[in-house]
Amino acid sequence: GAGVSQSPSNKVTEKGKDVELRCDPISGHTALYWYRQSLGQGLEFLIYFQGNSAPDKSGLPSDRFSAERTGGSVSTLTIQRTQQEDSAVYLCASSDRVGYGYTFGSGTRLTVV
Amino acid sequence: GDSVTQMEGPVTLSEEAFLTINCTYTATGYPSLFWYVQYPGEGLQLLLKATKADDKGSNKGFEATYRKETTSFHLEKGSVQVSDSAVYFCALSDPNFNKFYFGSGTKLNVKP
Repeated sequence: GAGVSQSPSNKVTEKGKDVELRCDPISGHTALYWYRQSLGQGLEFLIYFQGNSAPDKSGLPSDRFSAERTGGSVSTLTIQRTQQEDSAVYLCASSDRVGYGYTFGSGTRLTVV
Repeated sequence: GDSVTQMEGPVTLSEEAFLTINCTYTATGYPSLFWYVQYPGEGLQLLLKATKADDKGSNKGFEATYRKETTSFHLEKGSVQVSDSAVYFCALSDPNFNKFYFGSGTKLNVKP
């Protein structure tokens, strides 16, 4: 597509439930990144994919967080047993050229109640 | 480790005022530097970038110069408009561009 697409745009879930967030990068972009933006905070790196592999998982906050990417395209970020502190905007970005910078999606706003 | 520090907001200016948003960084190696902008209700957009010392990035009237001696990448605009109201993020990327480090963002409010 023309841009990075994320779904859902908003998600309200009950504490303890699992959620899946989807990112559809720009076609042909080999690198895909997940960040989260908590209220009033900057961007926090979560995970990075080059193709289908994730060489850097260092940012995942706990083992409740996991992500996968299939076919070098769509990525899913899964949060198990959600907690209130997981509430944030989850941003996905993709890039195709070293040094060019990311293109970001509009994000998924997750609210855990 | 690598990090970015930018001035806290919000910054409130009148239309046509001069804008400076300070950004300094700490990095090993030779990072690339970026400014991203997030307009209300929208995702992040790349505003400008510089990949080596003394490079000047520019776009939409905004400029920033990569200053290695002061480890800075301050964002400037000579005359802001109401439509420039947004949150601005300074960022650096490691030499392999595998990870970006973002500042906490500076909210700019421009009043007519």
